[in-house]
Amino acid sequence: DAGITQSPRHKVTETGTPVTLRCHQTENHRYMYWYRQDPGHGLRLIHYSYGVKDTDKGEVSDGYSVSRSKTEDFLLTLESATSSQTSVYFCAIRRDSREIDTQYFGPGTRLTVL
Amino acid sequence: AQSVSQHNHHVILSEAASLELGCNYSYGGTVNLFWYVQYPGQHLQLLLKYFSGDPLVKGIKGFEAEFIKSKFSFNLRKPSVQWSDTAEYFCAVKVSGAGSYQLTFGKGTKLSVIP
Repeated sequence: DAGITQSPRHKVTETGTPVTLRCHQTENHRYMYWYRQDPGHGLRLIHYSYGVKDTDKGEVSDGYSVSRSKTEDFLLTLESATSSQTSVYFCAIRRDSREIDTQYFGPGTRLTVL
Repeated sequence: AQSVSQHNHHVILSEAASLELGCNYSYGGTVNLFWYVQYPGQHLQLLLKYFSGDPLVKGIKGFEAEFIKSKFSFNLRKPSVQWSDTAEYFCAVKVSGAGSYQLTFGKGTKLSVIP
């Protein structure tokens, strides 16, 4: 257990509405990541953070923004949700003290955009 | 950019059969390699990892993987699978070194074990 929670765990929304997903960690790790998982694509990195207010884009960042105002929280926002953003979203942390460069994943959020 | 290939999309085995899942990556430098498992409806869990040293690494639940640098491969093995091994398995690679942080995942291999 990596001390990661995600909320909500399930969400159904309509096209064009904004959506914010939250990732919360309890272990004070510097690096946090947002991935999306789609059948046939594996996991793809959306955005990541390497500290408070420090974020960068991943492979599939279009249509997503992130914020990190506190070490423990990393928010993923879909400004205007589209059906192509229907997916399962996983947050991960990087344990860079005890086990270098190993990522651990949260339970996921299943998002459906109608 | 590096890429990861998992050649088998879906593998179906009977209980007690041996398992080998292929993983190849495309990067010529030093890499860190991982296998993750995702049981139905659950999140990804780390199965095993390779950083350096002995190329044969052992993970949880009787799994092992062998890093063959000359073949750019990191295949996952288990001598005798159980029904509870039914899951999706993901290989991932990270380029090692300062400033490197991203994991690149393969597309996954779904394993179905028939009792």
